Amino acid sequence: DAKTTQPPSMDCAEGRAANLPCNHSTISGNEYVYWYRQIHSQGPQYIIHGLKNNETNEMASLIITEDRKSSTLILPHATLRDTAVYYCIVRGGSNYKLTFGKGTLLTVNP
Amino acid sequence: NAGVTQTPKFQVLKTGQSMTLQCAQDMNHEYMSWYRQDPGMGLRLIHYSVGAGITDQGEVPNGYNVSRSTTEDFPLRLLSAAPSQTSVYFCASSHLQETQYFGPGTRLLVL
Repeated sequence: DAKTTQPPSMDCAEGRAANLPCNHSTISGNEYVYWYRQIHSQGPQYIIHGLKNNETNEMASLIITEDRKSSTLILPHATLRDTAVYYCIVRGGSNYKLTFGKGTLLTVNP
Repeated sequence: NAGVTQTPKFQVLKTGQSMTLQCAQDMNHEYMSWYRQDPGMGLRLIHYSVGAGITDQGEVPNGYNVSRSTTEDFPLRLLSAAPSQTSVYFCASSHLQETQYFGPGTRLLVL
């Protein structure tokens, strides 16, 4: 699976949009981009995933660049409860393993 | 639908003791896996299973055994605990090639 690069930490004001970037320049055509988050050592929580097109669900939006070498997770109106470590993971369709890096610690400030 | 459950939530062992971490899911998921997470680190895959009777090694399998006799359960066994196995253990499950969902974790301290 392709390696991902994320900033170690980011800050966001409560109520504002949080935009978390991820680089995955070696991604292959059949690999998906997944986002999980982990709140204070709880089990990782699935957020969203995508292949080529932008995706949106009740939690977030995922914007994937046309060349698929990078993506951005958008939390439209961040709250204090969104403070967590966010993991960007690239996973092949036939590969079960999720490779976790160190992720981005997002701190939402009041 | 309880999702993925793990027991116990917390355990203290002495070096050399054995124990089994339990993981169960009620979603009829074929795939189940175990990860460990050390302080400040991401999760690392220990073992995984794609169905009853089928298991395989992940990234860090040494010191751990697994078996999958039913679809619902995937226990992780430590035969002789070592301080290096102090960690938080997470179980995950999914339908094959679909999104994986994680349990709440078991915190293990080996003295």
